[in-house]
Amino acid sequence: DAKTTQPNSMESNEEEPVHLPCNHSTISGTDYIHWYRQLPSQGPEYVIHGLTSNVNNRMASLAIAEDRKSSTLILHRATLRDAAVYYCILNTMEYGNKLVFGAGTILRVKS
Amino acid sequence: KAGVTQTPRYLIKTRGQQVTLSCSPISGHRSVSWYQQTPGQGLQFLFEYFSETQRNKGNFPGRFSGRQFSNSRSEMNVSTLELGDSALYLCASSDMGRRLNTEAFFGQGTRLTVV
Repeated sequence: DAKTTQPNSMESNEEEPVHLPCNHSTISGTDYIHWYRQLPSQGPEYVIHGLTSNVNNRMASLAIAEDRKSSTLILHRATLRDAAVYYCILNTMEYGNKLVFGAGTILRVKS
Repeated sequence: KAGVTQTPRYLIKTRGQQVTLSCSPISGHRSVSWYQQTPGQGLQFLFEYFSETQRNKGNFPGRFSGRQFSNSRSEMNVSTLELGDSALYLCASSDMGRRLNTEAFFGQGTRLTVV
């Protein structure tokens, strides 16, 4: 079901940038790339989404490859509160409004 | 604006019993989806309701059912509980549904333990 591939885990130092990669080689032209994160003992939280162009919001930036087969979530300055599981999801017409979660990337932030 | 509210937060039930979980979406949101999260299977989609109609369904047995009321509040029911139904049940709401650039807002979940 899941159409994205992410590393199992990554580690970062506090206040340094973090680049979380995601591969989605089977993406179709109308699929949106969404990122959610789940902090311990919480429900998932929306982070950012994009279609073709790079996107920025107050939480993060999303860099999308020109061929759209991969993308990178960028946290500009990681804090301890950013330690979470990050999910890269393709929002696709095939699934309607269903979000298909993979295993995600566990991000650990060291102080 | 209040977030997505799920009740109860924690629940312990016995095998064979049934359980009903409740979800109040963000005001104005008409799409409500339910997910099950377990350590082994991760987050899995159960079903989605939009304007009181089930619009999408995941691969779960018929023991799992849901409904949505005219005020968009939703309930899910699990009958004949099994030990494997122990999980975190999450509800998510969105405003329009079926727009691929729509974000979903999740509640904190209901932790169900079946003993």
